[in-house]
Amino acid sequence: GIQVEQSPPDLILQEGANSTLRCNFSDSVNNLQWFHQNPWGQLINLFYIPSGTKQNGRLSATTVATERYSLLYISSSQTTDSGVYFCAVDPTRFSGGYNKLIFGAGTRLAVHP
Amino acid sequence: DTEVTQTPKHLVMGMTNKKSLKCEQHMGHRAMYWYKQKAKKPPELMFVYSYEKLSINESVPSRFSPECPNSSLLNLHLHALQPEDSALYLCASSQDSARGESETQYFGPGTRLLVL
Repeated sequence: GIQVEQSPPDLILQEGANSTLRCNFSDSVNNLQWFHQNPWGQLINLFYIPSGTKQNGRLSATTVATERYSLLYISSSQTTDSGVYFCAVDPTRFSGGYNKLIFGAGTRLAVHP
Repeated sequence: DTEVTQTPKHLVMGMTNKKSLKCEQHMGHRAMYWYKQKAKKPPELMFVYSYEKLSINESVPSRFSPECPNSSLLNLHLHALQPEDSALYLCASSQDSARGESETQYFGPGTRLLVL
């Protein structure tokens, strides 16, 4: 099956710093999402980005589908950015009305004041 | 509104108990999902319902029994669980249509389950 690798596994930042999180995947995908899981366990959808570039406030993401990787950029980090960032992909070739997300192991981010 | 709700937030049960987890969404989504997440691990897919029919069962033990009574509601019935089933159980939903933004999955806050 498809392999999804995220790096770095852990990241510690001072408030105000910028960071880049990476997601590599071993096969072509039809769906790629970035999520933030806060310390209470809530998974928050950040981006749906199987290809191209998107921005939302201090966050932006780029997926280069032909080279099988995606990047999540966090600028001017805040303590509320702490948590785990997951990349998830759906490698299925056709849509049966649903998608089957395979998650990477995540990047655990701690932002200190 | 992109809200998926789950009840209860926390659940403690013995190995002989029967309990149910509930998930609800009112976004008109036609696909609903159950995931299991162990501590410090990523979520793993358990079941997928599409148009209220079970589409995927990822070889989950029969002590977990999903049910989709209508397009807004998803239940997970639990019976004779083991301590290793303790985990965060997450529900998600997505629209049904062809590839695109409508595939985006939205997650509920989860139910933290402890089996004693």
